[in-house]
Amino acid sequence: GENVEQHPSTLSVQEGDSAVIKCTYSDSASNYFPWYKQELGKRPQLIIDIRSNVGEKKDQRIAVTLNKTAKHFSLHITETQPEDSAVYFCAASRHGSGNTGKLIFGQGTTLQVKP
Amino acid sequence: EAQVTQNPRYLITVTGKKLTVTCSQNMNHEYMSWYRQDPGLGLRQIYYSMNVEVTDKGDVPEGYKVSRKEKRNFPLILESPSPNQTSLYFCASSLSGKEKLFFGSGTQLSVL
Repeated sequence: GENVEQHPSTLSVQEGDSAVIKCTYSDSASNYFPWYKQELGKRPQLIIDIRSNVGEKKDQRIAVTLNKTAKHFSLHITETQPEDSAVYFCAASRHGSGNTGKLIFGQGTTLQVKP
Repeated sequence: EAQVTQNPRYLITVTGKKLTVTCSQNMNHEYMSWYRQDPGLGLRQIYYSMNVEVTDKGDVPEGYKVSRKEKRNFPLILESPSPNQTSLYFCASSLSGKEKLFFGSGTQLSVL
């Protein structure tokens, strides 16, 4: 079945450094790739998403890149701050014709930003 | 305020005792879904619904039931809970399933 692999499972960086989290998906028909941030004890919240018709999307310090040929996408956080510390989840789904309604999440990455 | 409301927040029960976790959204969303979150496994989809009276299995549907009789409500039913269903459960909704998911606050379930 469909699968999303996320790496690394934990990531520790110094404040101000960059952080990169990578995900690989198996369903070549996937065309929507969101990223969610979950702070400790809270619900996941969308931070950025990308659709398959673009290769990169940026929102202030956060960017996502997509390589459809290789079936992988990455989250880039620049100038990290302590409040970026959280668990990050990538996900993949297929929309449009053949829309399954399924959203497959990666296993999560715990990011720790040290002051 | 636009929100997804889940109840209860915490639930401790015993094996075999039927329970229902309620989920309601006030955003007129067509798409609703249930996930369970376990350490190291991320969020796994249990069931989803594209619209009223339309439900489909996610990746881990065994041991769960859902219904979508009204647009705003999507309850999760455990007919005979077992200890391996101890988990953190999230309900979520979106306009049509193609965009941002709004999550509920979660239900921590313990089955003894």
